[in-house]
Amino acid sequence: QVTLKESGPGMLQPSKTLSLTCSFSGFSLSTSGMVVSWIRQPSGKSLEWLAAIDWDGDKYYNPSLKSRLTVSKDTSNTQVFLKITSVDIADTATYYCARSLTIAAWFAYWGQGTLVTVSS
Amino acid sequence: DIRMTQSPASLSASLGETVNIECLASEDIYSDLAWYQQKPGKSPQLLIYNANSLQNGVPSRFSGSGSGTQYSLKINSLQSEDVATYFCQQYNNYPNTFGAGTKLELK
Repeated sequence: QVTLKESGPGMLQPSKTLSLTCSFSGFSLSTSGMVVSWIRQPSGKSLEWLAAIDWDGDKYYNPSLKSRLTVSKDTSNTQVFLKITSVDIADTATYYCARSLTIAAWFAYWGQGTLVTVSS
Repeated sequence: DIRMTQSPASLSASLGETVNIECLASEDIYSDLAWYQQKPGKSPQLLIYNANSLQNGVPSRFSGSGSGTQYSLKINSLQSEDVATYFCQQYNNYPNTFGAGTKLELK
């Protein structure tokens, strides 16, 4: 059974660095083609794909946010991380991690999401 | 980035009715399109991929069609549990992008 779960700080101040963790089970990120992405959704709005890392360690970023994003994974291939630098109020959103079978594909499995609020 | 324009933004329909939601891509996405259903407080759930392939476990009253730049999601015989917001996603072009969503309510 594939499951993903996000964790984060809940709230942080503007200009700080946001660190998120996606812990997953039921698959291995070392399996050829496997990709874990980060996607966010401000309350009441649509979804925005942020970044991804694949089975081979290749990293992909949304060009609109690339300068602020860093995606990585642990050596056991059971967790993926996302850092977003210099956050501001516009980064307030629910952050999801999701799995796809290639970088250009649909997302069949999603985590429950973690709400991050940026506020002073 | 490819822009995905969804219509309508909101929709009110009766139980048993047939509903259509449209998604227009700003350029040809060669059927690289998925549809998701999202209920309040929940994560999106995949309904359709490759424009017309039904995800395992999704009721057959959901169907997808389209090609080129124009795609649609059809819900036959609307049920109360179908009340949700629906999103389209293109994955033909990097970065993949989502439509703004269609909120479906019961009349």
